[in-house]
Amino acid sequence: GAGVSQSPRYKVAKRGQDVALRCDPISGHVSLFWYQQALGQGPEFLTYFQNEAQLDKSGLPSDRFFAERPEGSVSTLKIQRTQQEDSAVYLCASSFDRGGYNTEAFFGQGTRLTVV
Amino acid sequence: AQSVSQHNHHVILSEAASLELGCNYSYGGTVNLFWYVQYPGQHLQLLLKYFSGDPLVKGIKGFEAEFIKSKFSFNLRKPSVQWSDTAEYFCAVSSSNTGKLIFGQGTTLQVKP
Repeated sequence: GAGVSQSPRYKVAKRGQDVALRCDPISGHVSLFWYQQALGQGPEFLTYFQNEAQLDKSGLPSDRFFAERPEGSVSTLKIQRTQQEDSAVYLCASSFDRGGYNTEAFFGQGTRLTVV
Repeated sequence: AQSVSQHNHHVILSEAASLELGCNYSYGGTVNLFWYVQYPGQHLQLLLKYFSGDPLVKGIKGFEAEFIKSKFSFNLRKPSVQWSDTAEYFCAVSSSNTGKLIFGQGTTLQVKP
């Protein structure tokens, strides 16, 4: 596609519900990142995929957060038993380079999650 | 741990004024440096980046930034801002071999027409 696409754009969940957020990266991009952006803050790294391999999940805040990219393209971030502190914008980014080190990351518009 | 600090949280300028947004990072090794911009209702977009070479880098829309290694700084500048520059600006660094970005908390720029 033309850019990184995320869905849904907005999600309201009741506390305790499970949610799934989807990211469609730019076609052919090897690297995929998830970030969490709380209100008034910069994005914070959650996890990184190189193709289908999850190479870094050091930023996932708890074991309620789970991400996958089974075929090396579309990725899903799942949050189980949502809590109010999970309310944030979840950003997905992709880059062409295998390591991502020297290339630009392209961001999606994000999914705004509100837990009530 | 790496961190990025943006000194100005909210900046208000009139059109044609000059802009400088401060960014400092803490990391002793080799880093790549970035400025991203987020216009209202839009996604994060890359303004400019520094990997190596000339420490003065030029980006889109007349923006530039200077990497000063001794000061661990990468300040963003524009000689004359426009109303359309109203946006949120994020400084970021990357040092790992994955391209993971560490962001500052952002600066909201409001340009008055």
